[in-house]
Order: sequence, then structure tokens, then C-alpha cells
Amino acid sequence: EVQLVESGGGLVQPGGSLRLSCVASGFTFSRDWMTWVRQAPGQGLEWVANIKPDGSEKYYVDSVKGRFTISRDNAKSSLYLQVNSLTAEDTAVYYCAREAAVAFDIWGHGTMVTVSS
Amino acid sequence: QSALTQPPSASGSPGQSVTISCTGTNSDVGGYNYVSWYQQHPGKAPKLMIYEVSKRPSGVPDRFSGSKSGNTASLTVSGLQAEDEADYYCSSYAGSKVIFGGGTKLTVL
Repeated sequence: EVQLVESGGGLVQPGGSLRLSCVASGFTFSRDWMTWVRQAPGQGLEWVANIKPDGSEKYYVDSVKGRFTISRDNAKSSLYLQVNSLTAEDTAVYYCAREAAVAFDIWGHGTMVTVSS
Repeated sequence: QSALTQPPSASGSPGQSVTISCTGTNSDVGGYNYVSWYQQHPGKAPKLMIYEVSKRPSGVPDRFSGSKSGNTASLTVSGLQAEDEADYYCSSYAGSKVIFGGGTKLTVL
């Protein structure tokens, strides 16, 4: 079964950090671009970052540059998002997704990040 | 870069057709044929419905179709069914990044 499973979310204080993880199964993870998309409560989707199959290229939305780092471990079929210097505006469900032709065809169930004191 | 512009809501009766627009600029929708559409039911992850403007992934009913003219892309849902009631989001490549529309809530009357 093709599947993405995220973990690592939780409640964190402003200025804090988390490491989000996403484990893939059912497809050849090492061949695909991967993406993080987030959705604030009651709001729309926002693309956050993506990474090339070999990890050599990474791109970020302006609002997270310098604070978030996307990475991957193809041997473990895993995608990561290190999120630092968190603010209330980062509160959202974070989804990992497989990217093909700039479209996201496989999504995880999401992991919730809540930034609050 | 601002989000793509979608109407906040759309509606139609069962069996009817409804079209949702997605307006961007020459730097995103108008500049690339990488427009996608996603369906999201409450509490669920988004589902890809259309990619590369008008292509349907396997398993998506042919009631869903996409098109583009200039800086505006459109999603048409024909033969509306109750299960089509959901939020719909467009997205476009914008040169090393992807931007989404604000979303449209589709109500089946």
C-alpha cells in the first residue's frame, strides 16, 4: 500500500523547535521529489518546502527561510522538516506529500504543530 | 508572492455543473502549465484531482475537468454528486516554489 506517515508534531512554546518526520512506503521514495505543505486551523493550504530526490536541491517559502530545514534519508525512506524559532503563525497541520510534475499525488494524514505559551 | 485568487464559495444542485476559477499572474498560472487542483473533505488530507492543467490521475472521475486561459485556470465539476461537496484548492508552479489558491467551498444544494 502506498503510504506516507508523519510524526513529530506537538505543543511547543514560541521560539522552540521540533523535528517532523515522514516515513514512506509502497513506492520508490529515492526517485521522487518530496514536499511539505501546511494548513493553519480553518485556513487554506500553504506550500512550505521541497527537496530533490538526491537531496541536492531544496526550496522554501519565504516565510520559513532560515528557520526551517528540509532533509531526507533515502535509505530509511524518510523525509524530515526541522522547524526552529517557531511563532504562533507556524501553528498548522503539516503534511508531507510526494511530488510529481509539480503536483502532489500522495499525502500523509498530517501532524499538528501548535505554538503557544 | 500572493496566493492565487479563488471564489470563497460555489454551489450547484445534483446533476448540474459548476466551474471554479483560479486567477494568478504571468509569473505563475499564466507562465507554466503546472496547475493542479485538490479536493479536501473536512478533517481529511487533500486529494489530487487535476494536474498539468487538465490531466486526471487514475481513479478520478471524468466528471472533473480542468482548463486554462491566460492567467486564469478553471475546474469544472459536471453531474454534481453529494460527495463532491468539499473544499477545492488550485495550485501553480511559480518558479522554484508552488503557490496555492485560498480555496473554494463547494456546496451541493
